[in-house]
Amino acid sequence: SQTIHQWPATLVQPVGSPLSLECTVEGTSNPNLYWYRQAAGRGLQLLFYSIGIGQISSEVPQNLSASRPQDRQFILSSKKLLLSDSGFYLCASEGAGGDTQYFGPGTRLTVL
Amino acid sequence: GQNIDQPTEMTATEGAIVQINCTYQTSGFNGLFWYQQHAGEAPTFLSYNVLDGLEEKGRFSSFLSRSKGYSYLLLKELQMKDSASYLCAVDNYGQNFVFGPGTRLSVLP
Repeated sequence: SQTIHQWPATLVQPVGSPLSLECTVEGTSNPNLYWYRQAAGRGLQLLFYSIGIGQISSEVPQNLSASRPQDRQFILSSKKLLLSDSGFYLCASEGAGGDTQYFGPGTRLTVL
Repeated sequence: GQNIDQPTEMTATEGAIVQINCTYQTSGFNGLFWYQQHAGEAPTFLSYNVLDGLEEKGRFSSFLSRSKGYSYLLLKELQMKDSASYLCAVDNYGQNFVFGPGTRLSVLP
């Protein structure tokens, strides 16, 4: 089965600072990968998904970007954080049969 | 457009049965998923339906009607640890999953 790692677990950053969140996947190859954000008490919002190295699709226009430099590595970045970027960021990997998504432990980001 | 609706909150008593409904309108359909999410944690997979009917997994069952765009999650013999948010999600036949807003279930003693 798959294992998804995310770091850091928590992060407090000032407005205007850069961001880099990393996600790595074990136990599968060539997975579809996803970045979600969950604001406090809200549902999951799909930010980006990737079907392969260097292939990124954006679902929501924002000041965030994503990159996939390796098959099992997915990075979420920002050059300048906004207050509204605060939330719980989840990386997910699609199961080998395409029948579910497995989530990493998440990163809780607070922008002050 | 994509739209998934779930009740925002539900309350039930320990030992009881609760049904959480989900209705969806998506441009494609390749399966419907239910996830459980405890506060502050990542979602975990509960069930998957791609054909009409009921799927049973221990205390949890999930039902799907594709013609009605409707699903429900049934939780039996509720336990305190079942207090969590339950997320309905549709595989939109392509590269992404569309998630509902989640239903926060509180189980009372």
